[in-house]
Amino acid sequence: EAGVTQFPSHSVIEKGQTVTLRCDPISGHDNLYWYRRVMGKEIKFLLHFVKESKQDESGMPNNRFLAERTGGTYSTLKVQPAELEDSGVYFCASSAGTPTTDTQYFGPGTRLTVL
Amino acid sequence: GENVEQHPSTLSVQEGDSAVIKCTYSDSASNYFPWYKQELGKGPQLIIDIRSNVGEKKDQRIAVTLNKTAKHFSLHITETQPEDSAVYFCAASGASGGSYIPTFGRGTSLIVHP
Repeated sequence: EAGVTQFPSHSVIEKGQTVTLRCDPISGHDNLYWYRRVMGKEIKFLLHFVKESKQDESGMPNNRFLAERTGGTYSTLKVQPAELEDSGVYFCASSAGTPTTDTQYFGPGTRLTVL
Repeated sequence: GENVEQHPSTLSVQEGDSAVIKCTYSDSASNYFPWYKQELGKGPQLIIDIRSNVGEKKDQRIAVTLNKTAKHFSLHITETQPEDSAVYFCAASGASGGSYIPTFGRGTSLIVHP
């Protein structure tokens, strides 16, 4: 069974540019999560999809971040325009049925560097 | 909201020694405590977890202990091997409002020297 995949693995952009990150969850997983880790700090929650609906987006830092999950399969996270403080590793995770009990499986992450 | 502190940030041991990583949490309502291992180039992977109705859990060379009164939990790795080298994250969830979203610690970089 394929795990969670993320694309690209690395992205280097200049301040003010736009970047779109993609996550493909494990097939059949309804729950999809986005997290971010700024260097040396904790992994922080951004948002949670159940199928195509946003269940919890309380962690989204501001309106420069837009997440979508059309059709309830893969998800994209767009940052527009990017700022220096957006640099970090963006992780996607997915889980099967019940968020409170089911294990979250993480992807390898996308390392975003904003210059 | 929940706050999780993790220590140490870096831990260097010799192969065969034991390693202990400690975490504290702030919200007494938290009831689920997973530990993740992140190897180079990979995402965090769940290695062991414990719920608040249990004080200790073991899985081969790794064990986790939980002290609800003191609000701290620890990861113990015995007979460390070079392949144990990775970044380890603790997390807590189930805090106020029953949130299932984990709050992570800052991570511990474990280095096991052959």
